[in-house]
Amino acid sequence: SQTIHQWPATLVQPVGSPLSLECTVEGTSNPNLYWYRQAAGRGLQLLFYSVGIGQISSEVPQNLSASRPQDRQFILSSKKLLLSDSGFYLCATEGLAGGGLAKNIQYFGAGTRLSVL
Amino acid sequence: QKEVEQDPGPLSVPEGAIVSLNCTYSNSAFQYFMWYRQYSRKGPELLMYTYSSGNKEDGRFTAQVDKSSKYISLFIRDSQPSDSATYLCAMSASDYKLSFGAGTTVTVRA
Repeated sequence: SQTIHQWPATLVQPVGSPLSLECTVEGTSNPNLYWYRQAAGRGLQLLFYSVGIGQISSEVPQNLSASRPQDRQFILSSKKLLLSDSGFYLCATEGLAGGGLAKNIQYFGAGTRLSVL
Repeated sequence: QKEVEQDPGPLSVPEGAIVSLNCTYSNSAFQYFMWYRQYSRKGPELLMYTYSSGNKEDGRFTAQVDKSSKYISLFIRDSQPSDSATYLCAMSASDYKLSFGAGTTVTVRA
């Protein structure tokens, strides 16, 4: 089964500083990869998804960008953080459910909690 | 109107009680229905997955989907303190996009 690694687990950054969050996936090849943000007490908001190396789709306009330099690596970045970028960032991929690959079943990493001060 | 509505709770029950969670949705194209469990400061963990209408049981957990009413439920029998978490419903049509509920926070009192 697939394993999703995210780091760092917690990050405190000043406003205006750059950001780089990394996600790597094991146990699968050519996965679809996703970045979500979860604000306190709210559901998950899809930020970016990628179907392959160098292929990034953005779901919402924002201060963030994403890149996929390798098949199983997904990076979330910002040049200058805003206070509103604080939140819990989750990387996800699709995996096996019920004995076969289910395109709509997403599995999540442990997340990165970002505080922008 | 949000695409997926979920009562945020919080819900507090004594150990051994049945926990009942539900979500309603507006998009009739949804075919895949999921429940995730999220412990504090952790990523969501897939709990149940159902395709189309019907019931699915896994141990103490039962997921129900009623597409005619656009209503899904999750039941937890014989609840344990370890079931204390936030439960998120999620659903999708035939594409990659998942629509999530806001999550219901459940506390099971010992």
